[in-house]
Amino acid sequence: EIVLTQSPGTLSLSPGERATLSCRASQSVSSNYLSWYQQKPGQAPRLLIYGASRRATGIPDRVSGGGSGTDFTLTISRLEPEDFAVYYCQQYGSTPSTFGQGTKLEIK
Amino acid sequence: EVQLVQSGTEVKTPGATVRISCKVSGYSFTDYYMNWVQQAPGKGLQWMGLVDPDDGVTIYADKFRGRISITADKSTQTIYLELTSPRSEDTAVYYCAAPMEPLVRGSAFQHWGQGTLVIVSS
Repeated sequence: EIVLTQSPGTLSLSPGERATLSCRASQSVSSNYLSWYQQKPGQAPRLLIYGASRRATGIPDRVSGGGSGTDFTLTISRLEPEDFAVYYCQQYGSTPSTFGQGTKLEIK
Repeated sequence: EVQLVQSGTEVKTPGATVRISCKVSGYSFTDYYMNWVQQAPGKGLQWMGLVDPDDGVTIYADKFRGRISITADKSTQTIYLELTSPRSEDTAVYYCAAPMEPLVRGSAFQHWGQGTLVIVSS
């Protein structure tokens, strides 16, 4: 199975700053079938990005995804208070689908 | 509007089978594979398996194969997850999740249920 490793484990930033989260795969992700989710305490995950770089419905354009093959990034250009949460990447190009261990984005 | 509404909290003793449900509305039930995802307390997300609601065909992650059963009831548009002989390590929140694209196994999870907490404790 494809192992996804996210870094950093925790990212401490201030509102207005830029956040860059990384997701590295143990082998190439088929067709760049890589998604990103945001999860807040007590809530279900929310889809942000699919196909490595496509924004899901309702996601603002300050959120962007990039990368291909084995290296992917999620960038939030100007952090808003509601952006502080845990973020997961997921590959769905091969079975079993797998998730990264998560990056916690916290307020500095 | 797509809605996935899950059943409530379950508290079970080790070995007692637990069954949780996910009622689907707002889209064509048989067109979308339905997934289950586990999240242990304070931990990340783990894909458990999926079912094709049209014909009941399932795929399970190795970790869970032989210990879970995922089924679909077309008459009530409900998906079920059954955990057989659960142990304390199965204490977790379980989410059902529907993909973006119909009739495709590999698709991002656009719609999620609210989660069901299962507590396994003696």
